[in-house]
This record gives sequence, C-alpha cells and structure tokens, in this order.
Amino acid sequence: EDQVTQSPEALRLQEGESSSLNCSYTVSGLRGLFWYRQDPGKGPEFLFTLYSAGEEKEKERLKATLTKKESFLHITAPKPEDSATYLCAVQQTGANNLFFGTGTRLTVIP
Amino acid sequence: KAGVTQTPRYLIKTRGQQVTLSCSPISGHRSVSWYQQTPGQGLQFLFEYFSETQRNKGNFPGRFSGRQFSNSRSEMNVSTLELGDSALYLCASSLDPSGNTIYFGEGSWLTVV
Repeated sequence: EDQVTQSPEALRLQEGESSSLNCSYTVSGLRGLFWYRQDPGKGPEFLFTLYSAGEEKEKERLKATLTKKESFLHITAPKPEDSATYLCAVQQTGANNLFFGTGTRLTVIP
Repeated sequence: KAGVTQTPRYLIKTRGQQVTLSCSPISGHRSVSWYQQTPGQGLQFLFEYFSETQRNKGNFPGRFSGRQFSNSRSEMNVSTLELGDSALYLCASSLDPSGNTIYFGEGSWLTVV
C-alpha cells in the first residue's frame, strides 16, 4: 500500500533561516512526486513534479529534490509569506490520482 | 487563464440530505479528479474522470458519486449526508490522465449539521 510520511509536522523558522522539509514515500512504481503549498481556507497550489531519483527543481526560494525513498523541499532564506502548509503526494505508475502526506505546517517569523 | 472553478464555495446541509458540487476544469483540461480534505484524514482521493468515464475510484461508500459532462465539467454528489461528511471537497484538473501537472480549485466547504 502507498505510504507518504512528512516530517516535521510543524516547523517554525526565523526569517532568513534556511531549512528542509522531508517526504518519505513507499509506492509500487513511482510515476511522479508532487509538492503543493496550501494556505488556510484555500486549495493546494502546485509547486513541483519530480519524476526520477536525482532530479531537482527550483522556484524562487524553494528547491525540491528526489531520491528513491524520499524527497526534500529546501527553503532558502524564507520570508513570512512562505508560511503555509506544504503537502507532498505520490502518483503511482498507471494511475492519475495522488496519494497525499499529512503535510508540514511552516511558520516563518519576521 | 482561468483556474479550476468550484461552486458553491460554502454550504450547510442537514444530516440525511443530499448535495451536488460542481467543478469547471481549466480550459483544455479533460481529466478531473475529486478529493476530500478533513483535519483528521488529510487529503483523500474520491474519483477521477476522463472523457466522461470514471477511470479510478477511491475507498469511499457508494453515497459518493460523480459524473463528467462532454465539456469536461464535473459534478459530485453525496447522498444521505452524515456528520462525518463535513469537509473541504477539492476538484483537480489535468490535461489528460498522464497527470504531469495537476491543479486544484479553491474547494467547496461542506458543513453537515
């Protein structure tokens, strides 16, 4: 059965303090690993899709990496507006649906 | 370019009633999926439609159903509502079932009282 575990559950950072969020996964055939950002009361906002081990993608202060067992979302010099819940999801080969982790709630303090 | 549009945004229903939620995908997107989000269970897959056909279904009771129209718009229906059905219902669209990029709408907040 697919499993996605995100850690930590919550993270508080000072503005400018870089850190990483972890997403460990178990899936029988990975088609893609997705990262989303979700603000309170809103739908998830697409950030990245990673497909194979060793792949990296960047967007502003965010960089996502993928290994065969986990993915990291690195946040460099975060700002208060980066505060949100970050969700990781896996997509199994041959399927279109996503299996989500429970998210990491990030708070960046000015 | 308009995003995924869901209506209504908020609704309150009484236990035992039924509800229909609507989703208009991004223009040109033909694959639509539905998810339920609750504080306890997180985001869980309900079902997926492509070309008016249900391709995949999550582990939810038969009270949850959906359909897709020829213009790719989709509706989901929940009958005989229970208190536990209170949740944020999210619609997601992608170009096709290869699902390389999947975009979500803002969701419909359902409260069952």
